[in-house]
Amino acid sequence: EVQLVQSGAEVKKPGESLKISCKGSGYYFTTYWIVWVRQMPGKGLEWMGMIYPGDSDTRYSPSFQGQVTISADKSISTAYLQWSSLKASDSAMYYCARRPPYEPIDSWGQGTLVTVSS
Amino acid sequence: QLVLTQSPSASASLGASVRLTCTLSSGHTSYAIAWHQQQPDMGPRFLMRLNSDGSHSKGDGIPDRFSGSSSGAERYLTISSLQSEDEADYYCQTWDSGIPVLFGGGTKLTVL
Repeated sequence: EVQLVQSGAEVKKPGESLKISCKGSGYYFTTYWIVWVRQMPGKGLEWMGMIYPGDSDTRYSPSFQGQVTISADKSISTAYLQWSSLKASDSAMYYCARRPPYEPIDSWGQGTLVTVSS
Repeated sequence: QLVLTQSPSASASLGASVRLTCTLSSGHTSYAIAWHQQQPDMGPRFLMRLNSDGSHSKGDGIPDRFSGSSSGAERYLTISSLQSEDEADYYCQTWDSGIPVLFGGGTKLTVL
């Protein structure tokens, strides 16, 4: 069974750094993209970026380029989304998802809620 | 420019059928899409991949009540025998070489 298990909810202060994770299991982690998606309260889904763990090829949405960093450690089948300096506007639910090459997303993580507040 | 357009809301009665629409922008009418469901306070779930010819492949465990079809630039998700748990947000998603992941704005389905 394909599973994407994300790290738990985080409460941070503005200016702090954060790294959240997404662990894949039940499939060959290196042969599927891991996609990160933001959902702000009451809003729709926004693509942030993605990584191909096999060769660490990383793509970012122009809206998020320079704002976050996506990485992966294929030895432990885990992808990461990180911020160096959080803002209140980064408060949202973040989902990871699996995307086969040249195909749509076909599996989702359960989400990580990030709250940034002073 | 690749864009997916969805109506913000739809409603239908319990036990009835409803068809949700996702429209591809001009010049992209041959694209395949995917449908995803997001129930209240839950993460999204992949429903199906839908091709321009209407053929579709569903995710694991997706009931037969969910089906897809296509006509020109429009991609449809039909849910028959509506149940209360079908009340959710439905997102279409597509991709190309320039935009690897693109979502429509979502349709909020209310089951009356």
